Amino acid sequence: GIQVEQSPPDLILQEGANSTLRCNFSDSVNNLQWFHQNPWGQLINLFYIPSGTKQNGRLSATTVATERYSLLYISSSQTTDSGVYFCAVEWGEDAGGTSYGKLTFGQGTILTVHP
Amino acid sequence: NAGVMQNPRHLVRRRGQEARLRCSPMKGHSHVYWYRQLPEEGLKFMVYLQKENIIDESGMPKERFSAEFPKEGPSILRIQQVVRGDSAAYFCASSPMGQGHGYTFGSGTRLTVV
Repeated sequence: GIQVEQSPPDLILQEGANSTLRCNFSDSVNNLQWFHQNPWGQLINLFYIPSGTKQNGRLSATTVATERYSLLYISSSQTTDSGVYFCAVEWGEDAGGTSYGKLTFGQGTILTVHP
Repeated sequence: NAGVMQNPRHLVRRRGQEARLRCSPMKGHSHVYWYRQLPEEGLKFMVYLQKENIIDESGMPKERFSAEFPKEGPSILRIQQVVRGDSAAYFCASSPMGQGHGYTFGSGTRLTVV
């Protein structure tokens, strides 16, 4: 199956700092998503980004599908950004040739932002 | 739109008991996925269902685990004769088209086996 590797595994920042999280994947993918799991365990979809660049406030993401990686940028970090960031890829097809949304997750990056 | 609803949020079972986890997808979503998150690990796919059909159960343990998504009512993940190793967070997600776009996760059910 596909391998999804995230780096760094842990990241500690002071409030206001910027950071870059990376996700490498071992095969072609149909889609890629970034999720934030907050300290209460809730999973929030940040970006649906099979290719290209997207921005949402202080967060932006870039996926270079041909080189099999994606980056998540967090600028001016805040304590509420703390939690685990997961990259997840959708790959493969069912017998009818349709991609059906099964996600393979990376191990996550644990981000801690101190005030 | 209430989002993906999972209940209960927390469930404690003794070894050997049965656990039933429920998931109501978002309105208009007919595709449901279950994932398991073991302590200190990422999420692992378990099963993908559409109404009355199991499409892919390649991530389900071979024994004691089953899932259904009936024509009426929520999707149910059932774990029979639970063991300590089943302690985990179980997340349900739904999507409108069986693809990643529009994927929405519920808040999860945290199962503790004592």
